[in-house]
Amino acid sequence: GAGVSQTPSNKVTEKGKYVELRCDPISGHTALYWYRQSLGQGPEFLIYFQGTGAADDSGLPNDRFFAVRPEGSVSTLKIQRTERGDSAVYLCASSFSGTRREQFFGPGTRLTVL
Amino acid sequence: DQQVKQNSPSLSVQEGRISILNCDYTNSMFDYFLWYKKYPAEGPTFLISISSIKDKNEDGRFTVFLNKSAKHLSLHIVPSQPGDSAVYFCAASASETSNTGKLIFGQGTTLQVKP
Repeated sequence: GAGVSQTPSNKVTEKGKYVELRCDPISGHTALYWYRQSLGQGPEFLIYFQGTGAADDSGLPNDRFFAVRPEGSVSTLKIQRTERGDSAVYLCASSFSGTRREQFFGPGTRLTVL
Repeated sequence: DQQVKQNSPSLSVQEGRISILNCDYTNSMFDYFLWYKKYPAEGPTFLISISSIKDKNEDGRFTVFLNKSAKHLSLHIVPSQPGDSAVYFCAASASETSNTGKLIFGQGTTLQVKP
């Protein structure tokens, strides 16, 4: 079966622009997570969805970041007014449910803000 | 505040020998621990996990040991193979947040297995 997919694999944008990053989780997984990984660091939690709702968005750094999962499957992470400090690899993961703690990651989207 | 720490940025071992990767944590609420492996340009791949009610979990060449009193866990790979060369991340979660599934990751250890 297909794993978690993310598009685009790379995104280069200019400071101040708006970007959308897409995640397609493993079929049947109700839980979806977004993480951000900076160079030399481990992934940092951003937001968690159980079904369509954001159950925990405590990791979003500020209100420029927003994520949706309208139909409980595909999710989009949206970043407004991008800043150079937003440059990182954005990882999406899914799991069978929020209580099953093994998460399966996609390949990530490398975002570069010039 | 780094709640999960991997103090060794890198480790080099000879093929066939044992690789031991270490991880320390500070939050006593953590009750589930995972190891992930990451190759360049790929997402982390789940390797093995352990619940805090156990002190050892084994899966093939991979064994994870948990010492709760020391807040320390380790991943043993034996025998090490060149294909094991990757970055290894330790991660932890807590029951109080398990319904959110949030994982806290260490900084990673780069393992190089030499032929």
